[in-house]
Parts: sequence; C-alpha cells; structure tokens
Amino acid sequence: KQEVTQIPAALSVPEGENLVLNCSFTDSAIYNLQWFRQDPGKGLTSLLLIQSSQREQTSGRLNASLDKSSGRSTLYIAASQPGDSATYLCAVRGSGAGSYQLTFGKGTKLSVIP
Amino acid sequence: EAGVAQSPRYKIIEKRQSVAFWCNPISGHATLYWYQQILGQGPKLLIQFQNNGVVDDSQLPKDRFSAERLKGVDSTLKIQPAKLEDSAVYLCASSFWGEAFFGQGTRLTVV
Repeated sequence: KQEVTQIPAALSVPEGENLVLNCSFTDSAIYNLQWFRQDPGKGLTSLLLIQSSQREQTSGRLNASLDKSSGRSTLYIAASQPGDSATYLCAVRGSGAGSYQLTFGKGTKLSVIP
Repeated sequence: EAGVAQSPRYKIIEKRQSVAFWCNPISGHATLYWYQQILGQGPKLLIQFQNNGVVDDSQLPKDRFSAERLKGVDSTLKIQPAKLEDSAVYLCASSFWGEAFFGQGTRLTVV
C-alpha cells in the first residue's frame, strides 16, 4: 500500500525567502506525481504534474523535482510572497493496471510573513 | 474550460440523517474520484470510477456510503445514516490522462 509523507508539517518564513517542501513515498512504481495547493475552506488547485519519466517541472516561481528510485519529490518556491500562504499537498498516482489511485500526503502548511 | 462542479457547498445535518452530494466533472474526463478530507489531514480516496464502472471502492464504508455515476458523467455520493465522524470535506475530482482536477468540495457537519 502506497504511503506518502510530507515534511515539514508546517513552515513559517519571511517574505522573499526561497523554500523547499519535501514529499516521500514508499512505492516507487508510480505513474506520476502531482503537487496541489489548498487555501482554507477551498478545494485543491493543481500546481505541477510530473510524469514518472520526468525529473522536474517548472511553472513560474515553482519548481518540482522527482527522484522515483529514492521515492522523493521536492517543491521549490522562489522569492516567497504572502499570497503563497496555503497548504501544499503532494499526491502520487499508482501504476497498477486499472487503478491509478491518487494517494495524498497530509500536507505542509506554509505561512509567508510580510 | 469549466471546472469540476460540486453542490452543495455546505451541509449541516443531524446524526442518523441522510445526505447526498453531487458532482459534475470536466467534460470528457473518464475518471472520477470522491475523496474525504478530515480537518488537518490529506484527502482519502473513497471511490474511483472509470466511465460508469467502479475501479476502486476499497475504502468506502459500504454499510453507510454509496455512490453512482450516471451515464459516465455526473456522480452522486450518499451517506445514510450519517455519523458524527463523517464530518469532513467531500471532494470530487476528475482526470484525463493522469492530471486530476478538483472541485471546491462540500463541507459536511454532522451534529
């Protein structure tokens, strides 16, 4: 059974800092990995999708990397802004035939202090 | 492109009552998921549909939860009877070729 762990559970940084969020998973047989953002009381917004054959994806100030063999992914946020404050969730999709279940970590709650 | 639509946004019911949630996925998305997210935790998969067939319902409490996907499009999730521990946000998502898109969720409070 796939297990996804995110460290740290919470993070507080001053505005302008670069930061890294970590995600680890136990089963390396994945189809892809997706990073989401969740604002309080809202649904999940997709940030980046990395296919199992890829090493990284970039979107604006966000860069996500994937090391499938070691079961790790990182989300790098450059020049953080107060608007980046949210919970960031990592999810992996299994590669089992007919399933493709999306398994989530518990998230990292980010606070960017002005 | 319209996103995943869910209704209602909020629902408060008493324990032992029944409740239903509705989801309309993004047009053309064959895969539909229902997740339960308890406060402070990550979403937990309840059921996954591929078109109108169930792919995975291993974590669905089948004694009280049921779900259907009509004609491979809209889906409803029902809880009957509800328990206090069912208080959570219920998220619907759809995907096409591996990228999942989520609705705003329904926040259920059972009192």
